[in-house]
Amino acid sequence: QQQVKQSPQSLIVQKGGISIINCAYENTAFDYFPWYQQFPGKGPALLIAIRPDVSEKKEGRFTISFNKSAKQFSLHIMDSQPGDSATYFCAASTSWGKLQFGAGTQVVVTP
Amino acid sequence: DVKVTQSSRYLVKRTGEKVFLECVQDMDHENMFWYRQDPGLGLRLIYFSYDVKMKEKGDIPEGYSVSREKKERFSLILESASTNQTSMYLCASSSTGTRTDEQFFGPGTRLTVL
Repeated sequence: QQQVKQSPQSLIVQKGGISIINCAYENTAFDYFPWYQQFPGKGPALLIAIRPDVSEKKEGRFTISFNKSAKQFSLHIMDSQPGDSATYFCAASTSWGKLQFGAGTQVVVTP
Repeated sequence: DVKVTQSSRYLVKRTGEKVFLECVQDMDHENMFWYRQDPGLGLRLIYFSYDVKMKEKGDIPEGYSVSREKKERFSLILESASTNQTSMYLCASSSTGTRTDEQFFGPGTRLTVL
């Protein structure tokens, strides 16, 4: 039973478009919400993370939106590029390092 | 450049065999983790260790054990491999006391049990 529910399972977006991936959780004790990016043949790598004291965090073309009352958070990829094609995982944790991952979203950006 | 290495990229074993997956990190991290990755299930934590000779069960420890004799090395052991343990296995490490809690992952070992 996954503690973090992620959708959609896959996503196709045209170059220059916006990719949106959503995650929801139930455990209100979660206090750290990272997103990991995984390219084929590689391990996941931290992309961006947020803590519940802010509602939004932006790093370049990547933005996390966080809604504490709804227990939801999402990743927006603006101006999507073919190099963004990867699998994205949301995650959440209550204490150091023990992460609960979502099921993953495969993003394909077409030229 | 931080690095987590795993002993094999691909491994094929037979049912009932004892399997060792090795992971080494060069970042002097205290914490190390073993996950398995399956389509539609994401990453699930098998075991983790926050110090040498210390280990804690994750969410799916059944059928697995671990060993951490040195700080940089964390081994995953399948005592008697079964076909339902066919999966991608990922090792990760992180440092205690950092605000980011970032985990650094190895490239993974794809294990097939026949």
